[in-house]
Amino acid sequence: GENVEQHPSTLSVQEGDSAVIKCTYSDSASNYFPWYKQELGKGPQLIIDIRSNVGEKKDQRIAVTLNKTAKHFSLHITETQPEDSAVYFCAANFGNEKLTFGTGTRLTIIP
Amino acid sequence: SAVISQKPSRDICQRGTSLTIQCQVDSQVTMMFWYRQQPGQSLTLIATANQGSEATYESGFVIDKFPISRPNLTFSTLTVSNMSPEDSSIYLCSDTIGGNYGYTFGSGTRLTVV
Repeated sequence: GENVEQHPSTLSVQEGDSAVIKCTYSDSASNYFPWYKQELGKGPQLIIDIRSNVGEKKDQRIAVTLNKTAKHFSLHITETQPEDSAVYFCAANFGNEKLTFGTGTRLTIIP
Repeated sequence: SAVISQKPSRDICQRGTSLTIQCQVDSQVTMMFWYRQQPGQSLTLIATANQGSEATYESGFVIDKFPISRPNLTFSTLTVSNMSPEDSSIYLCSDTIGGNYGYTFGSGTRLTVV
């Protein structure tokens, strides 16, 4: 089945610095790659996604890049703020519109 | 994107009993999914809830343990049957309007089995 690896598992950055989280996927047929932010006690919230027909997508301080050849994609958060502290999950689609999730990255922004 | 209301938000249950979790979507969606998230872990897909037919379960999950209903395009339930402490987890529902668009999640049900 589909496998998604995510690194690092924990990440601490100074406020204002950038954070990068990386994921690799196994199924070459995957063509949709969302990123979710999960705060304590809440369900995952979609923050950005990318499809296989583009290499990069930006939304204000958040960007995602995709390398189809290498089968990896990354989340970039610039000018980090304390409210960016959360657990972030990458995911990739497989089969009939199902998603497989990465193992998660706990991001801590140090004031 | 659709908004999902999930309830209960949390419950503490006795072993051997069953709990039914409900998800209501504010608009018609093509597909609904149920996930389990153990504390500090990632999300594992339990099954796809199919409208008007039996759910499709992932490897390691069976209908007798996790019966699912989806009577229409906006509502689904997951029952955790004959619970044991190992079933203590967060259960989440999700939906999509299709074409890999708009996957949203409910707020989750935190289940503790004692």
